[in-house]
Amino acid sequence: ETGVTQTPRHLVMGMTNKKSLKCEQHLGHNAMYWYKQSAKKPLELMFVYNFKEQTENNSVPSRFSPECPNSSHLFLHLHTLQPEDSALYLCASSQDPGQDYGELFFGEGSRLTVL
Amino acid sequence: SQQGEEDPQALSIQEGENATMNCSYKTSINNLQWYRQNSGRGLVHLILIRSNEREKHSGRLRVTLDTSKKSSSLLITASRAADTASYFCATDQAGTALIFGKGTTLSVSS
Repeated sequence: ETGVTQTPRHLVMGMTNKKSLKCEQHLGHNAMYWYKQSAKKPLELMFVYNFKEQTENNSVPSRFSPECPNSSHLFLHLHTLQPEDSALYLCASSQDPGQDYGELFFGEGSRLTVL
Repeated sequence: SQQGEEDPQALSIQEGENATMNCSYKTSINNLQWYRQNSGRGLVHLILIRSNEREKHSGRLRVTLDTSKKSSSLLITASRAADTASYFCATDQAGTALIFGKGTTLSVSS
């Protein structure tokens, strides 16, 4: 138990579906992140939120829409996805980055399969 | 953009042996971190070394950092079967969140 909970753990969706991934952290952190992990690729940073404000968007396609209603919750809304979007989506949290980025605490991930 | 590059991509050793993984990066950094990931699970932080540090220890882990060569190494001593996992380096370069490499897959057989 890392203090970061992701739901659902597994999701199968068609290309025309709309679904959401949820992340909740119980660590009192101020920064939250979405990373994508595809087979044989490095983890790709998608979005960063600090104090609920988006501070980084790593050129992510608009079919991925993040939402951060407060410092403890982060969502990733999915719509009109492609099969190549199938991956493990990892949420992480950390203390306020400030001058540099310290330790990230990761959830167990949401395994997404797009048919 | 990818920053860290681990080497080797895969490593197989026997229990009790030492495992060494290397990470190279391209730009100046604030710190470098190592993470571990068991198959299909989330990443777990192992150790952080700052750019002004050269070596750090944590239990059976030893990390070195050579900023002149833009490289780091992770040494796991007296490996156990439970050390079987993927290991990633991640770099903190100014202005962006952690960038991860592709990882080294370590297999420790008993």
